[in-house]
Amino acid sequence: QVQLVESGGGVVQPGGSLRLSCAASGFTFSNYAMHWVRQAPGKGLEWVAFIRSDATIEYYAASVKGRFTISRDDSKNTLYMHMHSLRSEDTAVYYCAKETTPRLPFDDWGQGTLVTVSS
Amino acid sequence: QSALTQPASVSGSPGQSITISCTGTSSDVGANNAVSWYQQHAGKAPKVIIYEVSERPSGVSARFSGSKSGHTASLTISGLQAEDEAEYYCCAHAGINHWVFGGGTKVSVL
Repeated sequence: QVQLVESGGGVVQPGGSLRLSCAASGFTFSNYAMHWVRQAPGKGLEWVAFIRSDATIEYYAASVKGRFTISRDDSKNTLYMHMHSLRSEDTAVYYCAKETTPRLPFDDWGQGTLVTVSS
Repeated sequence: QSALTQPASVSGSPGQSITISCTGTSSDVGANNAVSWYQQHAGKAPKVIIYEVSERPSGVSARFSGSKSGHTASLTISGLQAEDEAEYYCCAHAGINHWVFGGGTKVSVL
């Protein structure tokens, strides 16, 4: 079955950087577009970024554009999120999600990894 | 892009039906049929329960149904059960390069 396992979260100071990973298994990773979605403590869901299956297209939420970069390594079945110039408002659980079709954008989710931006 | 508007909370007794609304604009909910709904139990990852306005993924109970009229989508839970107590989020594909979620609705089973 589909499994998505995020890692790389932790505590980082404002202005710092972090790289999140999402290890995928149970499906042909290279065939699917992927997303990152985050959830601040006690708050709702916020879409963060998208990468197409062939990695030729990336989209970002306005709140992270220019600071975050989504990427993928199909040889390792892994999705990444490179996060720079982190702010306190980036504190959240970050989920990776598999897109089955454009009309089913978040079909499978990982368990999430917590990023805390604090001095 | 502003979040879609959902009621903060909805409650009902076991066996009753409840409906959660999700109001957007012509740029998101009203733009196409790419509206989906997610259920999130406390401390867990979200799970898709409705996609493409009214389609149910395999394995999702038929007690969940979705609809849309204009800029407002709706999720109805029929025959409310204790296990339905959770947070529910709507989501719309706003154009080709952006997805927007609702603020979430807490469903309580009385």
